[in-house]
Amino acid sequence: EDQVTQSPEALRLQEGESSSLNCSYTVSGLRGLFWYRQDPGKGPEFLFTLYSAGEEKEKERLKATLTKKESFLHITAPKPEDSATYLCAVQAFGGTASKLTFGTGTRLQVTL
Amino acid sequence: DSGVTQTPKHLITATGQRVTLRCSPRSGDLSVYWYQQSLDQGLQFLIQYYNGEERAKGNILERFSAQQFPDLHSELNLSSLELGDSALYFCASSAAGTSPVQYFGAGTRLSVL
Repeated sequence: EDQVTQSPEALRLQEGESSSLNCSYTVSGLRGLFWYRQDPGKGPEFLFTLYSAGEEKEKERLKATLTKKESFLHITAPKPEDSATYLCAVQAFGGTASKLTFGTGTRLQVTL
Repeated sequence: DSGVTQTPKHLITATGQRVTLRCSPRSGDLSVYWYQQSLDQGLQFLIQYYNGEERAKGNILERFSAQQFPDLHSELNLSSLELGDSALYFCASSAAGTSPVQYFGAGTRLSVL
């Protein structure tokens, strides 16, 4: 069974204080690893897809990296508007399903 | 705006009742997915449809059912509702082909009283 574990559960940063969020996963065959951002009361917003170990993707202050066992979401010089819950999900090869298996997320709060 | 539309935004009902949640996927997307998000369990996959046919089932209760219509919109039917069914229900859609990115709607918040 595919599993995703995210840490920490919650993270409080001051504006400009860089940090990383971790996503550890076990999957039979990784088709893709996804990062989403979710604001309270809203649907998950797609950020990145990573497909193979060593791959990196960047968007503004966010950079996602992937190894064979985990992914990191690096946040550089965060701003208060980066406050949200960040969700990691995996999609496995095989069968006819394209379901995502999600972790429980990291709640990020960025203060002035 | 993801392009995925869900209605209603909020639904308040009583135990034992039946409700229908509606989802319109992004233009051109053939796959529709339903997920349940509760406070203690995170996002859980319920069911997937592709071009009108059921493609995969997750931990969906027998009291729940779904369908995808010829115009590709989908409905999730929840019956004999229990207090524990209170949650956010999200619909997502994706295009066919090599890009499996799922785009989520804003969700329907179901409160069972």
